[in-house]
Amino acid sequence: DGGITQSPKYLFRKEGQNVTLSCEQNLNHDAMYWYRQDPGQGLRLIYYSQIVNDFQKGDIAEGYSVSREKKESFPLTVTSAQKNPTAFYLCASSAVRAGEKLFFGSGTQLSVL
Amino acid sequence: AQSVTQLDSQVPVFEEAPVELRCNYSSSVSVYLFWYVQYPNQGLQLLLKYLSGSTLVKGINGFEAEFNKSQTSFHLRKPSVHISDTAEYFCAVSAYNYQLIWGAGTKLIIKP
Repeated sequence: DGGITQSPKYLFRKEGQNVTLSCEQNLNHDAMYWYRQDPGQGLRLIYYSQIVNDFQKGDIAEGYSVSREKKESFPLTVTSAQKNPTAFYLCASSAVRAGEKLFFGSGTQLSVL
Repeated sequence: AQSVTQLDSQVPVFEEAPVELRCNYSSSVSVYLFWYVQYPNQGLQLLLKYLSGSTLVKGINGFEAEFNKSQTSFHLRKPSVHISDTAEYFCAVSAYNYQLIWGAGTKLIIKP
């Protein structure tokens, strides 16, 4: 079945540590996205990519980094510069066409130890 | 710039009663409109979308929404809710740059 897979489901970060969240899709989508979800705030865009080897900052990119070396993969690194990383992180993908729907992974809950 | 306002953070409703979740947007250009649903501890999935044409859009699970251009609204409705509809519902808007602007979400609470 085609879909989008995020791992791990739960992740804990120690002070000063970088952690990487995985996102893989087999939908042959060109566009991939990372969102952060905090209670009562909806979804905020961290980074997005519409083509391999290219990505753009979203609204809250500070303290995060990404790479897009393969069409299928779009990992997100939460760096030690992100001082408030506790949140639910969602990865999504879509075709690059107006009005296309997003397909979402099941999310990663990141907490600080 | 576009923005999306979901007027209610929570909507409690009795099982088998009708429900309306409200969404208003602001935009100076034509937009595409979406409703997504998020069940607890899961990702989001598309309920329905409006791109053009008929202003009444039908989606999955018996939901429908009506696009009202003059009132810049896209309210979501269901005539009879079930306990399985308990979830958070997000309204979103996109314009020419394809990027989605999200509302803050409305939690639908079904009372038995």
